[in-house]
Amino acid sequence: DTAVSQTPKYLVTQMGNDKSIKCEQNLGHDTMYWYKQDSKKFLKIMFSYNNKELIINETVPNRFSPKSPDKAHLNLHINSLELGDSAVYFCASSQETGSITDTQYFGPGTRLTVL
Amino acid sequence: GEDVEQSLFLSVREGDSSVINCTYTDSSSTYLYWYKQEPGAGLQLLTYIFSNMDMKQDQRLTVLLNKKDKHLSLRIADTQTGDSAIYFCAESIWRDDKIIFGKGTRLHILP
Repeated sequence: DTAVSQTPKYLVTQMGNDKSIKCEQNLGHDTMYWYKQDSKKFLKIMFSYNNKELIINETVPNRFSPKSPDKAHLNLHINSLELGDSAVYFCASSQETGSITDTQYFGPGTRLTVL
Repeated sequence: GEDVEQSLFLSVREGDSSVINCTYTDSSSTYLYWYKQEPGAGLQLLTYIFSNMDMKQDQRLTVLLNKKDKHLSLRIADTQTGDSAIYFCAESIWRDDKIIFGKGTRLHILP
């Protein structure tokens, strides 16, 4: 069973469009994350979200918004796509209990190409 | 197969050096990374090393890479209470977008 899944795996779209990337986890975790992978393949945190709090990396443009229909899903919606948004986006989840944080489990990534 | 392994726990006295070890299996890795995760936060990149380097130093952090043994280590000098976190080792594979993460080492600082 896939623990963290993302769809689509590849997304090619035109500049200016609005698109969403879906993420689902079946681990029962209460915290989910979105990361953007840059050219050196570093992961940069974009959002972390649990049913209590959304934490946004202040460098993320407000064209990006996470949407969580339920605890198992955290979708990434992007408005007015720009060329610089082309990257691989990773979703992850972990279980947090108070100050104890467990291992993060990553999805396979979604490669977004903006033309 | 692709796998990254690291011990789950490490306890160190404040002021001592911490050494976190990691082994990986894929010899085609390009970059190897150390990420830090504090409670309630996502992963933050601490440092990275390109796979053709042996060592990299950045203030209190020293990364050592033994490519023959596929062994990566992170040394934190003069460990402080603020260093208490989970440290993830990761490798990127040149042929695709994949990043393989270890399960994380929980660093606990003793007074």
